[in-house]
Amino acid sequence: GAVVSQHPSRVICKSGTSVKIECRSLDFQATTMFWYRQFPKQSLMLMATSNEGSKATYEQGVEKDKFLINHASLTLSTLTVTSAHPEDSSFYICSASQGGGSETQYFGPGTRLLVL
Amino acid sequence: DAKTTQPTSMDCAEGRAANLPCNHSTISGNEYVYWYRQIHSQGPQYIIHGLKNNETNEMASLIITEDRKSSTLILPHATLRDTAVYYCIVSLYNAGNMLTFGGGTRLMVKP
Repeated sequence: GAVVSQHPSRVICKSGTSVKIECRSLDFQATTMFWYRQFPKQSLMLMATSNEGSKATYEQGVEKDKFLINHASLTLSTLTVTSAHPEDSSFYICSASQGGGSETQYFGPGTRLLVL
Repeated sequence: DAKTTQPTSMDCAEGRAANLPCNHSTISGNEYVYWYRQIHSQGPQYIIHGLKNNETNEMASLIITEDRKSSTLILPHATLRDTAVYYCIVSLYNAGNMLTFGGGTRLMVKP
């Protein structure tokens, strides 16, 4: 299947700093990528849908000025958590699909963020 | 997207078949049934999907009832590495369509 990578796999930062997470589709081009968040013992919750070359679409309750998403190319989307606070500590996961007749979504390995 | 209902947890003996049920009684005609699993602290892994017909791949089999209101994921010979949370999701077959994750079934494969 298609491979999606994320970097970094885990990050610890101080409260008030910004953290950037990269999501890459390694062997396919992805017009659309998705960003999810997962708190301990909970299911994945969609944060936003990222479309190449256009603004992301955020789910209700997700602050677009706090979670900046950039989808600059067909293989890269970034999520920047600005002015991170301890309550932003979570597992962030991206997904992407090839499109063009192969619409199955493939997920990255996730990024664990801990804000101190 | 239609909602799914799955048991919270299940146990299975190593080497035996694991049969994971899913109810999706409000599924619409053009929605597919997807199965993913999530091993602890990893991203979800795609397993299989189907529309009407039963499907099989190297990982599992998917049995969809004729009325499409329920389905069963079958892991033919469960191993300890199959211990994970299994998510049944119904969604349109569309690259731009998000997946809505429910609680899933926590499968514990025991020696």
